[in-house]
Amino acid sequence: GNSVTQMEGPVTLSEEAFLTINCTYTATGYPSLFWYVQYPGEGLQLLLKATKADDKGSNKGFEATYRKETTSFHLEKGSVQVSDSAVYFCAPNTGNQFYFGTGTSLTVIP
Amino acid sequence: GAGVSQSPSNKVTEKGKDVELRCDPISGHTALYWYRQSLGQGLEFLIYFQGNSAPDKSGLPSDRFSAERTGGSVSTLTIQRTQQEDSAVYLCASSLQGPHSGNTIYFGEGSWLTVV
Repeated sequence: GNSVTQMEGPVTLSEEAFLTINCTYTATGYPSLFWYVQYPGEGLQLLLKATKADDKGSNKGFEATYRKETTSFHLEKGSVQVSDSAVYFCAPNTGNQFYFGTGTSLTVIP
Repeated sequence: GAGVSQSPSNKVTEKGKDVELRCDPISGHTALYWYRQSLGQGLEFLIYFQGNSAPDKSGLPSDRFSAERTGGSVSTLTIQRTQQEDSAVYLCASSLQGPHSGNTIYFGEGSWLTVV
């Protein structure tokens, strides 16, 4: 069946540090891949997406590349800011459902 | 409307009572989803509606849970005989088309349910 495995948190980084949050998935067919973010006290919102192999999604300095050969969609940012503190969810989707990871909590300290 | 609207935003209910949670999706969106997010947990899929097709109910945890979508727009999630383990944030989301087309889904703020 379809599933997603996401790097466990919580993750604590200093401002300007490099961030990687790993995400791998299993799915039938060719899913579209999404990262959603939930800032404190807010609802989930789309961060970035990629709809086919080798596509790179990017937004707010975050990037993730659709790696079909490794079924991965790792999230990266070269220099995190305090305002990036949030919970990040990887979400492949295929068929009738979005499959969400368990979420990775990121705290960035000044 | 401009976004997905959910009500109530907070609900405290006594164990054994029934509750109804409402979702008003973005206008024109044919797909509607319900998810549950428990404290410290990920998002648990509950049910998915797409147009006039039969809903995918495969995520509903028990027969105490049901949902309907009237007129292809507003949806109501009903939990009967609530239990303490039902306490969670219930999230509604909608998308222009189904997920297989790569459409983004847009979430509401959620309904926080506490069963005491």
